[in-house]
Amino acid sequence: DARVTQTPRHKVTEMGQEVTMRCQPILGHNTVFWYRQTMMQGLELLAYFRNRAPLDDSGMPKDRFSAEMPDATLATLKIQPSEPRDSAVYFCASGQRGGLDEQFFGPGTRLTVL
Amino acid sequence: AQSVTQPDIHITVSEGASLELRCNYSYGATPYLFWYVQSPGQGLQLLLKYFSGDTLVQGIKGFEAEFKRSQSSFNLRKPSVHWSDAAEYFCAVGPSYNAGKSTFGDGTTLTVKP
Repeated sequence: DARVTQTPRHKVTEMGQEVTMRCQPILGHNTVFWYRQTMMQGLELLAYFRNRAPLDDSGMPKDRFSAEMPDATLATLKIQPSEPRDSAVYFCASGQRGGLDEQFFGPGTRLTVL
Repeated sequence: AQSVTQPDIHITVSEGASLELRCNYSYGATPYLFWYVQSPGQGLQLLLKYFSGDTLVQGIKGFEAEFKRSQSSFNLRKPSVHWSDAAEYFCAVGPSYNAGKSTFGDGTTLTVKP
């Protein structure tokens, strides 16, 4: 049963620290998405990649957030420096057909910035 | 630009009662439509999808949805709700005009009364 995996599942850090979240997409999927979910804003698309190339990161605060795909099996989302307003659940999702088909979501990383 | 509206933020139904969750979309061409479910503490899971063909789509867990082009709607239905159906439900439309990303609605939280 192929699944998207995310690490860590929970992260508590202090303001100003660097946070790195990792995602392993389902093997063979060529599109990877990063979302942030909060009670206030709901589900927000931060960035997505097709064939490891970033297609759209307009939803991401550029000054502190960065997303990369070092290889086809790993996507990373970094926040540096982190702020309390970054506290949220971050989801990674992967899909086939360049994102035209359904997305398979990981379990999420719950980030708390103190 | 494409958009999705889920008019009901929160719905409460009794166990065994029927359910309909509303979804309206705005899209300039034939849309790809999805319904996802999110149980507490988990990522989103696909319930069903519509790309073309029969406008009544069957999904997992006994859910179905009907695409109505004239009303720009894709409402989710279930004839008899179970307590385990309590969750948040998201409607999504895709792809965007120039890239393969979906737009998600704000979600509808379903509470099931015993």
